[in-house]
Parts: sequence; C-alpha cells; structure tokens
Amino acid sequence: SYELTQPPSVSVSPGQTARITCSADALPKKYVYWYQQKSGQAPVLVIYEDNKRPSGIPERFSGSSSGTMATLTISGAQVEDEADYFCSSIDSSGIHRVVFGGGTKLTVL
Amino acid sequence: QVQLVESGGGVVQPGGSLRLSCEVSGFTFNNYGMHWVRQAPGKGLEWVAFIRYDGSNRFYADSVKGRFIISRDNSKTMYLQMSSLRSEDTAVYYCAKDSDYRFGYIDYWGQGTLVTVSA
Repeated sequence: SYELTQPPSVSVSPGQTARITCSADALPKKYVYWYQQKSGQAPVLVIYEDNKRPSGIPERFSGSSSGTMATLTISGAQVEDEADYFCSSIDSSGIHRVVFGGGTKLTVL
Repeated sequence: QVQLVESGGGVVQPGGSLRLSCEVSGFTFNNYGMHWVRQAPGKGLEWVAFIRYDGSNRFYADSVKGRFIISRDNSKTMYLQMSSLRSEDTAVYYCAKDSDYRFGYIDYWGQGTLVTVSA
C-alpha cells in the first residue's frame, strides 16, 4: 500500500525558513497536497499538485518535489503559521483512496 | 463561498448506528465528488469514503468497509450511515469537497462533527 512519512515536529524562530518533508514509499511518486490545520480548526489546503498555491494562501508557502520526496517550505515563517501540516496523495493503483502522512507539528517561537 | 456544514454527531454505544449529514452551499454540488475524512482525538487525518458526483462510484477505507455507507441526494446533502460502531470509530468526522467530479483531491473542508462511541 502507498504510504507517506513525515517528521513528527519541526521548530523554527519567526522569520526563519521552515521545511517539512513528506516521503513516499513507492515510485512513481504521485502529486502531493499539503494541508494546514490550526488547533481546533478544520484543515485548509495550502499547496496542491506538488507546487501550486490556492488563491488566498500567502506567497511564503511553496512546495517542491523530487524523486520520492516532497517538501513544503515556509519562507519567513510567522507565529500564525504554527500548526499541524499534513501531506496527502491519491492512491489510484487499485481501489481509489486518499492517503495522508502522519502530520508534522510546526512550532514557530 | 464554499461552505460545508456537518451534523448528526453524538454519543453512541458500541454496536450502534449513527447517520451524519453534510449540507453544502457556494458551489454546484452535482458537479463534484465528495469525501468523508475523520480524525481521532489527538491523531492524524484518516480518509473514510468518497462518492462520485453522480453517486455512481463509491470507495471506502478498509477500516470501515461493510459498516459505513456514503450517499448523496439532489438537495445538496451528503450522508454517512455508520453501523456496527466501535470505540476506534471515535473521531471528528469532516465532510470535504473534491476538486473534480471523479476522484481528484480535497480542496475544501467542513468544520467537523464529533462522534463518540462509548458504553
């Protein structure tokens, strides 16, 4: 089965660059999507199809992908970016399903 | 703007049943697939089920297959009928919109409804 692995936590100071990785366990890697979930709130899509940013998402959020690894980069992280971040992909190799990584807690302080 | 509002959560005994609803607005409901995703307390996201725009195809996570049924009607509402509930089904259940009419990716989420399975 297709699985995604994220580090449990990442910590940066305000203004620094935060990088959160998402490793797929198989090739070919499929598109990766990133969701931000602040405490007590619903997830919000911040990156789709590896590197596209939905309207309304700040430019400091960017995504990249290489081989079996995808990366969410927050350039100049702000205190309000502190949240859980989940990567996701679509496994359509058999029965269609959405796969989520375990999530990364980003601390900005 | 896109809005998804879940309802129907609550406390239910193990082995019991519950039906969740998701009312949508702000987009043409009949043009998009829809998902249910859940999150156990303090845990990550777990995809539960998907239904195509016209209800012709439905997919389920192995953990709920045979116990949960996803459905939709023409009144901008999606449902999740949950049966034979177990303690491990305790979670916040999110309704989510797909980006496509087939099986794309989730682009919008509701605020969720809490289901607690406990004796």
